Amino acid sequence: DTAVSQTPKYLVTQMGNDKSIKCEQNLGHDTMYWYKQDSKKFLKIMFSYNNKELIINETVPNRFSPKSPDKAHLNLHINSLELGDSAVYFCASSQDRAGTVSEKLFFGSGTQLSVL
Amino acid sequence: EDQVTQSPEALRLQEGESSSLNCSYTVSGLRGLFWYRQDPGKGPEFLFTLYSAGEEKEKERLKATLTKKESFLHITAPKPEDSATYLCAVYEDRGSTLGRLYFGRGTQLTVWP
Repeated sequence: DTAVSQTPKYLVTQMGNDKSIKCEQNLGHDTMYWYKQDSKKFLKIMFSYNNKELIINETVPNRFSPKSPDKAHLNLHINSLELGDSAVYFCASSQDRAGTVSEKLFFGSGTQLSVL
Repeated sequence: EDQVTQSPEALRLQEGESSSLNCSYTVSGLRGLFWYRQDPGKGPEFLFTLYSAGEEKEKERLKATLTKKESFLHITAPKPEDSATYLCAVYEDRGSTLGRLYFGRGTQLTVWP
């Protein structure tokens, strides 16, 4: 049983389209994240939710909108996709609250987004 | 400037040939350093957390150490299944605001038989 699962695995789309990535965790964690891994391989945090409440919102274009219907799910919707949005997006969860030194992250397998 | 720098970018070892990966950081309010392993097409998998200089952690053939400015991941007698990208991340204390985790680009390790 996969701990953190995200779908789809691959997403290929045209510029200007709107797309969503879904994430679910069955670890019972209160905190979930979206990370972006760009072409230079840096993993950077985008958002973090703690029990459905947004607590970290990095400098991300407002075309990106996370939604957490419950603490086990965190989806990412992207409007008006641009070429520069192409990257691997990782969902993660943690037992500890985001922004605390003890946070140990459990990652999903990633969604490879390609914008043409 | 990158907060976390890992070296080398890539490392090829023969099975059984021990070596070390380096992670240096520039964050001023370091409260913790993490090592993750990432296999191709997968998300990073947690390995270790180190909190203070002098601390060491071990897991099978891996041993992580921490000084005031860098961490090393020592790999003893590696096997082909140790091939992966190893990511280092540092937690920066931001005082009154929430801390942040900064990842390095990783070291891609290949162990050949």
